Amino acid sequence: AQSVSQHNHHVILSEAASLELGCNYSYGGTVNLFWYVQYPGQHLQLLLKYFSGDPLVKGIKGFEAEFIKSKFSFNLRKPSVQWSDTAEYFCAVRSSASKIIFGSGTRLSIRP
Amino acid sequence: GAVVSQHPSRVICKSGTSVKIECRSLDFQATTMFWYRQFPKQSLMLMATSNEGSKATYEQGVEKDKFLINHASLTLSTLTVTSAHPEDSSFYICSASSSGGTTYNEQFFGPGTRLTVL
Repeated sequence: AQSVSQHNHHVILSEAASLELGCNYSYGGTVNLFWYVQYPGQHLQLLLKYFSGDPLVKGIKGFEAEFIKSKFSFNLRKPSVQWSDTAEYFCAVRSSASKIIFGSGTRLSIRP
Repeated sequence: GAVVSQHPSRVICKSGTSVKIECRSLDFQATTMFWYRQFPKQSLMLMATSNEGSKATYEQGVEKDKFLINHASLTLSTLTVTSAHPEDSSFYICSASSSGGTTYNEQFFGPGTRLTVL
């Protein structure tokens, strides 16, 4: 069965620091990969997604993620975080079965 | 982006009663709706997938007789928690997509419903 692992449960950074959140998945076939963000008190929103092609995907708000097939990873990055990036971030995987499986989430706290 | 609403946002009920949660796509037709459950500080767990006009597909371990899902129209799906017990207390989130087939269309998430069973 497919699964998604997010190793960082809570990350605390200062403004302007660089961010990398880890995501690994287990599934042998073709996958679609996603990062969702949930700002405090708001709905889940799609940050970016990978289906095929260039493994470096750019999303909204300066976020990007790189799909490394050999490592089954899809880490999220941002070169310089802002206080407004404080949120919960979820990595997710969709297999050929069409359903999306979410990771456990990483809470990002940014110190002003 | 598209908007998905849920009602109610919060409900408290007594053990043994049934609770209905509505999920509506406000500005698009949702051929597929998904119901998730989220425990505190944990991830979203997919409970079931429903396609308009057909029976829902439940994930392993989810009791279909306890969590009744109806997707009678392209804009409305309901989740009824029957004979609720305190262990059913959770955050229930729906999402809607305009296509549930092999072509991916983005899922839009509702704000969630917090259920507390006393």
